[in-house]
Amino acid sequence: EAGVTQSPTHLIKTRGQQATLRCSPISGHTSVYWYQQALGLGLQFLLWYDEGEERNRGNFPPRFSGRQFPNYSSELNVNALELEDSALYLCASSLGGVSNEKLFFGSGTQLSVL
Amino acid sequence: AQSVTQPDIHITVSEGASLELRCNYSYGATPYLFWYVQSPGQGLQLLLKYFSGDTLVQGIKGFEAEFKRSQSSFNLRKPSVHWSDAAEYFCAVGAGGFKTIFGAGTRLFVKA
Repeated sequence: EAGVTQSPTHLIKTRGQQATLRCSPISGHTSVYWYQQALGLGLQFLLWYDEGEERNRGNFPPRFSGRQFPNYSSELNVNALELEDSALYLCASSLGGVSNEKLFFGSGTQLSVL
Repeated sequence: AQSVTQPDIHITVSEGASLELRCNYSYGATPYLFWYVQSPGQGLQLLLKYFSGDTLVQGIKGFEAEFKRSQSSFNLRKPSVHWSDAAEYFCAVGAGGFKTIFGAGTRLFVKA
């Protein structure tokens, strides 16, 4: 069974550009979560999608957005990139928004903003 | 406020030595507690979790953790570390899903 897959593995952009990151959850999982892992800061919750809807977002500006498609895959879009957006972006999936569900993580997209 | 503290940014242990990684949390109710491991270039993998019951939890790869309510701690232990255990370890607390709060991580170095 395939795990959570993310693409691209690495992404290099310049300030002001837009970045699009993609995530495919484990088959049967309906919830997708996005996290930002900046150096030394641990994981910061970005967004949660379930059944095609945005269910919750973390403390990030509106230029961080995304969507979930009918097949439950998801995109994270970051507009007007800033240098401090450089980080590893991790996607995770779970069976649903059930409270005690563990998260299955992808390997991440390393975004570098120059 | 809900939070997770991992006091040690990095730890170095010798191969074969025992390991304890510390985790303290602040949470209003009885929390769900997790330990994840992240190998270089990889996502996070769940090592173990505590929801209720026995406060000593066994996980994968020979790891265990003990929930101590009085100390608000959930320390991770392993009796004998292998070189392949070198990675970053994250303690997490919360109600699961998006409500999971992660600590800043502890990087483990293993020396021969």
